[in-house]
Amino acid sequence: DTGVSQNPRHKITKRGQNVTFRCDPISEHNRLYWYRQTLGQGPEFLTYFQNEAQLEKSRLLSDRFSAERPKGSFSTLEIQRTEQGDSAMYLCASSLNAGASEKLFFGSGTQLSVL
Amino acid sequence: GDSVTQMEGPVTLSEEAFLTINCTYTATGYPSLFWYVQYPGEGLQLLLKATKADDKGSNKGFEATYRKETTSFHLEKGSVQVSDSAVYFCALNTGNQFYFGTGTSLTVIP
Repeated sequence: DTGVSQNPRHKITKRGQNVTFRCDPISEHNRLYWYRQTLGQGPEFLTYFQNEAQLEKSRLLSDRFSAERPKGSFSTLEIQRTEQGDSAMYLCASSLNAGASEKLFFGSGTQLSVL
Repeated sequence: GDSVTQMEGPVTLSEEAFLTINCTYTATGYPSLFWYVQYPGEGLQLLLKATKADDKGSNKGFEATYRKETTSFHLEKGSVQVSDSAVYFCALNTGNQFYFGTGTSLTVIP
């Protein structure tokens, strides 16, 4: 069990550029979540996958954001035409079992700065 | 909608002091409740959880009891240490999604 891995740890980009983040969940985990966290706030749900199927997206999620989990293993989160308001920590989490016993395991996050 | 409300910080305590961080929730149905902790420079880690009313979660000297009547899940520790300095997040899981509070920063001074 190597834990949830996220790359890169930091990303600095100019407004209008596209960025892509990668998350490698714990290997046997079938659920994968993306969250966004800004300073002084808790993680805000973006989207989640059950295996390769994207089951839910936040209503707050702009259409500039897209996520994939093509083979039910790693996932990517892409932000197109970045804006300064996209600056945040992007967290990935994975879990094994749905329902009351579900526990999330988080990665260390990707810190995005949009200049 | 479903949500979690946490006591605002920051909280500063002397070593060996008693800690309480308040958390209340709003949810339809019967959620599971969690406390996560984020140490400086690290990702969120599960501290403890409770899955039904009157359950008590405990870990590393921390405890929290699921109180359905008051919709609360307050975090307590009898004697804090400098190493407990971190940000603590209360969370609930409705079965479809996790909701997190805004976090409470704790600093313990020697």
